[in-house]
Amino acid sequence: GAVVSQHPSRVICKSGTSVKIECRSLDFQATTMFWYRQFPKQSLMLMATSNEGSKATYEQGVEKDKFLINHASLTLSTLTVTSAHPEDSSFYICSASPSQDTQYFGPGTRLTVL
Amino acid sequence: ILNVEQSPQSLHVQEGDSTNFTCSFPSSNFYALHWYRWETAKSPEALFVMTLNGDEKKKGRISATLNTKEGYSYLYIKGSQPEDSATYLCAPGRVFGNEKLTFGTGTRLTIIP
Repeated sequence: GAVVSQHPSRVICKSGTSVKIECRSLDFQATTMFWYRQFPKQSLMLMATSNEGSKATYEQGVEKDKFLINHASLTLSTLTVTSAHPEDSSFYICSASPSQDTQYFGPGTRLTVL
Repeated sequence: ILNVEQSPQSLHVQEGDSTNFTCSFPSSNFYALHWYRWETAKSPEALFVMTLNGDEKKKGRISATLNTKEGYSYLYIKGSQPEDSATYLCAPGRVFGNEKLTFGTGTRLTIIP
């Protein structure tokens, strides 16, 4: 099956700093990638849809200026958590799909903001 | 926002026993239902994409059924093995992978050796 990687797998940062998370499709091209967030004991919540070469589409309640998404190539999307605060601590996971196929997920990134 | 419920939230099953759990979703405007298995420290893995009412799909010892009229799907595991321990997620969505999914909270399955 298709492989999606994420980097880093874990990150700890100080409050007020920015953190960038990368999502890569390793063996296929993806015009669309998805970013999800999971809080403890909750489901995966879609944050935004990342579109190659155009602006991301954010879900209701997700601040686009806080969570910057860049999808500059067909194999890479990045999520930057700007001016991170403790409430942004969460598990962030991306997915991508070869066209007309199911979604393949990365292994996720655990963000802890001190 | 779609209301997707999975039950039970967790269960423990003796190795060798069979088990099943449920995903409930709105029956209106249904397109497809995705099932994923998510093992600890790994990426969620797609199991099935189901679209038709009455659909039944099988992958080894795991199978799933779909009732789109009443809005539920069952996932069955026959002869549970320790490697089946994982969280099983369902998500209504479109058929194609480049459409967004709405996930339930999952059923955490633990197989007891």
